Amino acid sequence: DIQMTQSPSTLSASIGDRVTITCRASQSINTWLAWYQQKPGKAPKLLIYSASSSESGVPSRFSGSGSGTEFTLTISSLQPDDFATYYCQQYSSSLLTFGGGTKVEIK
Amino acid sequence: QVQLQESGPGLVKPSETLSLTCGVSGYSITSGYYWGWIRQTPGKGLEWIGNMYHSGTAYYNPSLKSRVTIFIDTSSNHFYLELSSVTAADTAVYYCARGDHYGYSYFDFWSQGTLVTVSS
Repeated sequence: DIQMTQSPSTLSASIGDRVTITCRASQSINTWLAWYQQKPGKAPKLLIYSASSSESGVPSRFSGSGSGTEFTLTISSLQPDDFATYYCQQYSSSLLTFGGGTKVEIK
Repeated sequence: QVQLQESGPGLVKPSETLSLTCGVSGYSITSGYYWGWIRQTPGKGLEWIGNMYHSGTAYYNPSLKSRVTIFIDTSSNHFYLELSSVTAADTAVYYCARGDHYGYSYFDFWSQGTLVTVSS
């Protein structure tokens, strides 16, 4: 199995802050990585796929980067609607796996 | 706009079979894409269960494969999950979702999720 490890698990930030979330894969996954945003009681929402491609309709303040085993999701200027939990997911292998999540809280 | 809506019992007894239905609107299942099931628990987080293409090609999580069946009814534009011999560990919020054109994929459209509790 490819293990996905996110850090930090919780992040406290203020409106307007630049926020960076890291996701590390236990082996190389090229750029077969997606990022999701999830709010309480809702389904995950796709933000980024192929490590850096933005899903249609996603605000431009969200960006993804990385390849191989290390990836980042960056929110350039945190907005009130962005307080949520973020997950990475690899789709390099036939066993799809998700990271444990990063909760972005209000500071 | 693609929409997915899952349905099924919210309570299942231990050792019985969990059965969920996912109805797809706004897109024909036979037009492509894989269709999958994912579940979420506070303890294990998001766990992929399996994906299926309308042709019948399927990929399953090895840890669940012996208990899981996913099948598609193209005439009704629905797909289904059956998970047999359930235990309390199968209590989770279950989602159905649309994958990509490949068996290993991300998911771009999700259902709202349904809580299934395994308890006697």
